[in-house]
Amino acid sequence: NAGVTQTPKFQVLKTGQSMTLQCAQDMNHNSMYWYRQDPGMGLRLIYYSASEGTTDKGEVPNGYNVSRLNKREFSLRLESAAPSQTSVYFCASNGQGAYEQFFGPGTRLTVL
Amino acid sequence: GESVGLHLPTLSVQEGDNSIINCAYSNSASDYFIWYKQESGKGPQFIIDIRSNMDKRQGQRVTVLLNKTVKHLSLQIAATQPGDSAVYFCAETSPLTTDSWGKFQFGAGTQVVVTP
Repeated sequence: NAGVTQTPKFQVLKTGQSMTLQCAQDMNHNSMYWYRQDPGMGLRLIYYSASEGTTDKGEVPNGYNVSRLNKREFSLRLESAAPSQTSVYFCASNGQGAYEQFFGPGTRLTVL
Repeated sequence: GESVGLHLPTLSVQEGDNSIINCAYSNSASDYFIWYKQESGKGPQFIIDIRSNMDKRQGQRVTVLLNKTVKHLSLQIAATQPGDSAVYFCAETSPLTTDSWGKFQFGAGTQVVVTP
């Protein structure tokens, strides 16, 4: 039982490059989330998927797209990376109880 | 421990003392309020939650208080230890169905530093 896994752990991109951040959970959770966290700041919701087949915008969706590939996997895509997207990205999933929100280890992304 | 914008407020606590971390929430319709702990370089970790129909809940060394009148949430940590040094976030949310959830709105966080 690995919980929430994210790949890659670190990534450096040049402005304009694209990439996909992968997230998977093995807890059979319905709800999954993508957050970004800038240095010294809180978590800001980018997109979420309340259940398989649905996705909704969060607080800061511009410049990102998501895909809920199946119940386990929820990916985040940057089509044309910008320096303002330099951040740590966390994926999370939630089970039935509010106490059942688990976070992945994060992806540290730098856009030059 | 109120949010003050771009810089995390810091709470310095002596080891063994009690800590109180505060949070103001925005949505009076939220059903659950949650506290998370984030250690350096790691993702947030659930500490304790409280439902909107309660005003106090206790866990192991932690107590959460909810004041809906002023939309205020607090986390009390008893006998603070060096391992409690971390950033603490509050969040508010509501379930969409019996097994799915909507948005989690996070507060800005408070850095807790435990001194010997």
